[in-house]
Amino acid sequence: DVVMTQSPLSLPVTLGQPASISCRSSQSLVHGDGNTDLNWFHQRPGQSPRRLINKVSNRDSGVPDRFSGSGSGTDFTLKISRVEAEDVGLYYCMQGAHWPNTFGQGTKLEIK
Amino acid sequence: HLVESGGALVQPGGSLRLSCIASGFTFSRSWMSWVRQTPGRGLEWVGSIKEDGSDKYYVDSVRGRFTISRDNTKNSLDLQMSNLRGEDTAVYYCATGMASLWGQGTLVTVSS
Repeated sequence: DVVMTQSPLSLPVTLGQPASISCRSSQSLVHGDGNTDLNWFHQRPGQSPRRLINKVSNRDSGVPDRFSGSGSGTDFTLKISRVEAEDVGLYYCMQGAHWPNTFGQGTKLEIK
Repeated sequence: HLVESGGALVQPGGSLRLSCIASGFTFSRSWMSWVRQTPGRGLEWVGSIKEDGSDKYYVDSVRGRFTISRDNTKNSLDLQMSNLRGEDTAVYYCATGMASLWGQGTLVTVSS
């Protein structure tokens, strides 16, 4: 299975400051069709995960533009330009290029 | 909108059927999946089923024990679980194919 490795695992951030989470895959996530199947999710305490970003950099409907995704091949990044209180929780990357889909271990974002 | 049901406490070796009812999107045109979450192992993709039910994929740890099925006339997705083990204890989520939409989850506890 493809191993997804996130860093850092804990991310204390001051409100209004930027934040960045890295995700590295053990294999290239480029599909045969040329698309790269890397997704980002946010899970607030007590809630289900919510997809934020699909195919590396496409924001899902309703996701604020302070969230952005980038990367290629095996290295990917989720950036939050200015952290707000509602951004606390766990962030996961997930690859869908190779079966079974696999998730990173999660990064816990908290407010300093 | 996805709503799961059926979670319960079950003994090792036992069976359980989870259900998910979908609304608000064209269910019959969507791959559907089950994903589970535990505090220790994080998020794990359990399996997926094609729009018409003709193809199904399972993670190795559940293949041969779990069966995914769907009824497009009822907008419903099922997960039949048998020969349950302690490591199957988790919150089980119903999700659209690439997890753009998740249910609220249902808790399965396998314990004697």
